[in-house]
Amino acid sequence: AQTVTQSQPEMSVQEAETVTLSCTYDTSESDYYLFWYKQPPSRQMILVIRQEAYKQQNATENRFSVNFQKAAKSFSLKISDSQLGDAAMYFCAYRSPRLPTGANSKLTFGKGITLSVRP
Amino acid sequence: EPEVTQTPSHQVTQMGQEVILRCVPISNHLYFYWYRQILGQKVEFLVSFYNNEISEKSEIFDDQFSVERPDGSNFTLKIRSTKLEDSAMYFCASSEFFGAFFGQGTRLTVV
Repeated sequence: AQTVTQSQPEMSVQEAETVTLSCTYDTSESDYYLFWYKQPPSRQMILVIRQEAYKQQNATENRFSVNFQKAAKSFSLKISDSQLGDAAMYFCAYRSPRLPTGANSKLTFGKGITLSVRP
Repeated sequence: EPEVTQTPSHQVTQMGQEVILRCVPISNHLYFYWYRQILGQKVEFLVSFYNNEISEKSEIFDDQFSVERPDGSNFTLKIRSTKLEDSAMYFCASSEFFGAFFGQGTRLTVV
């Protein structure tokens, strides 16, 4: 079974600075998908960014980018120009390729990291 | 922008009662999921649904739970005979091909 590890329970960043959140995963699959989700105090889960394992290019979405190291099974999230609204819990998630039925497989989440932003 | 809608936002129920959590997925999505998050813990997969049947379920999803897509738009999670440990945030999600989009969640409190 696949596992996702987020070893840092908390991080803090100064507003306007850059912060990197770490995530590692364990899998024997060669094709898969990785995601970062943000969970603000409202507790809604918001998709931040996604990466297909077969793509060598790291995904970017505005101030959010990833450093995907497939050999090391590492998938870190970089937040540039941090804003107060970035304060939230961030979850790394893994998804296998499709099931034999053609259905998308489930997301496996890490334990999450709480990011605080200092004004 | 299309979104996943869940009702109710908060439900309080007595132990032993049945509850139905409702979700309206994004209309052109094909895959539907239920996840739960016990306060302070990680998000756990319960069940996925595709082509009008369960495609995958976790060990948590036992006979106490069931899912339905009764009318082509709603997607429901029924929990029979609720227990105190069922208290959690329940998230519905839907997806097209890649990442899943989550609803705002239903906070279930069993007393």
